[in-house]
Amino acid sequence: GAGVSQSPSNKVTEKGKDVELRCDPISGHTALYWYRQSLGQGLEFLIYFQGNSAPDKSGLPSDRFSAERTGGSVSTLTIQRTQQEDSAVYLCASSLRITSGTTDTQYFGPGTRLTVL
Amino acid sequence: KNQVEQSPQSLIILEGKNCTLQCNYTVSPFSNLRWYKQDTGRGPVSLTIMTFSENTKSNGRYTATLDADTKQSSLHITASQLSDSASYICVVSAYGNTGKLIFGQGTTLQVKP
Repeated sequence: GAGVSQSPSNKVTEKGKDVELRCDPISGHTALYWYRQSLGQGLEFLIYFQGNSAPDKSGLPSDRFSAERTGGSVSTLTIQRTQQEDSAVYLCASSLRITSGTTDTQYFGPGTRLTVL
Repeated sequence: KNQVEQSPQSLIILEGKNCTLQCNYTVSPFSNLRWYKQDTGRGPVSLTIMTFSENTKSNGRYTATLDADTKQSSLHITASQLSDSASYICVVSAYGNTGKLIFGQGTTLQVKP
């Protein structure tokens, strides 16, 4: 596809279950980002990838959150033992290169709405 | 602490009017500043991107300004349309921390007929 895609679009899970969220960036984009947006709140940075490497994991809210990227393309954000406070829209974005020092546009996917009951 | 603050938090204007949104930041060292538009239920869309050396940049009816000395930016919307109703987010990137973007809380704009 031409844009960033994410799946699933909606996910409802029970507290304590694990979930996996997937992001397919634009082909050729080396940089990939994950954000979280709680209801009525601004975007919260989680993690970014340069290729398959994640130099900055400081945004991950707890050790229940992890992310990986393989082949410089698809990325998966995993949340273990989900809690109700994890409920949010999880947005993925990609850009040709890392944002610092460049003016490359960041393209966002439609997001995955996660609801933890 | 690197921060981005936007004002006003929300704004209501009549269709056809102009408006200006403000962004102040404390991010240092500064790399670039972006304005995004986010429609309800959608991902943000980039409007403008400015580096240290740029003072102004336009994208149609949107004009962003940057004063790197005072660490302030503004987004001016001319001849507003109903479709401009959205959240406008100011985002700053620090040079050196290559991928982490610092987001403001956004200004929610409502354009009424």
